[in-house]
Amino acid sequence: GAGVSQSPSNKVTEKGKDVELRCDPISGHTALYWYRQRLGQGLEFLIYFQGNSAPDKSGLPSDRFSAERTGESVSTLTIQRTQQEDSAVYLCASRTGQQNTEAFFGQGTRLTVV
Amino acid sequence: GDSVTQMEGPVTLSEEAFLTINCTYTATGYPSLFWYVQYPGEGLQLLLKATKADDKGSNKGFEATYRKETTSFHLEKGSVQVSDSAVYFCALGGSTGFQKLVFGTGTRLLVSP
Repeated sequence: GAGVSQSPSNKVTEKGKDVELRCDPISGHTALYWYRQRLGQGLEFLIYFQGNSAPDKSGLPSDRFSAERTGESVSTLTIQRTQQEDSAVYLCASRTGQQNTEAFFGQGTRLTVV
Repeated sequence: GDSVTQMEGPVTLSEEAFLTINCTYTATGYPSLFWYVQYPGEGLQLLLKATKADDKGSNKGFEATYRKETTSFHLEKGSVQVSDSAVYFCALGGSTGFQKLVFGTGTRLLVSP
């Protein structure tokens, strides 16, 4: 597609439920990132995929968080047993595999846990 | 590990004032440096970038110069407009291996007429 697409744009869920967030990167972009942005805060790195290499999961805050990506296509971020502190905007970005290129961001998924 | 430090906001200016938002970084190798902007209600978008020492990135009247000797990438604009009100993020991208993008905490700019 023309840009990075994320769905849903908004999600309200009850505490304890699982949620799945989807990111569709720009075609041909081998690198894909997930970030979390709490209200009024900066970007918190969660996970990074680069082609078929093992992902960098160093930013995942707990084992309730996981993400998958098949090849260079869609990625899903799953949050199990959601907590109120998980409420945030989850941002996805993609980038080519070439050095020194910028990342392109989606509009984000606003997650509210009630 | 790599890190980015930005000045805290909010930065409050009157229209046509001069803007500087400080950004310093810590990184191994020779990272690329970026400024992203997030306008109210919108997603992040690239404002400008520089990929090597002494490069100057520029866009929409904003400029930033990659200073390796001071590990800085300060954002400047000579005359801000109300429409520049947004949150500005400094970021670095690794130049080797996994190119993890590391962001600063963001600086909110408020420009009044």
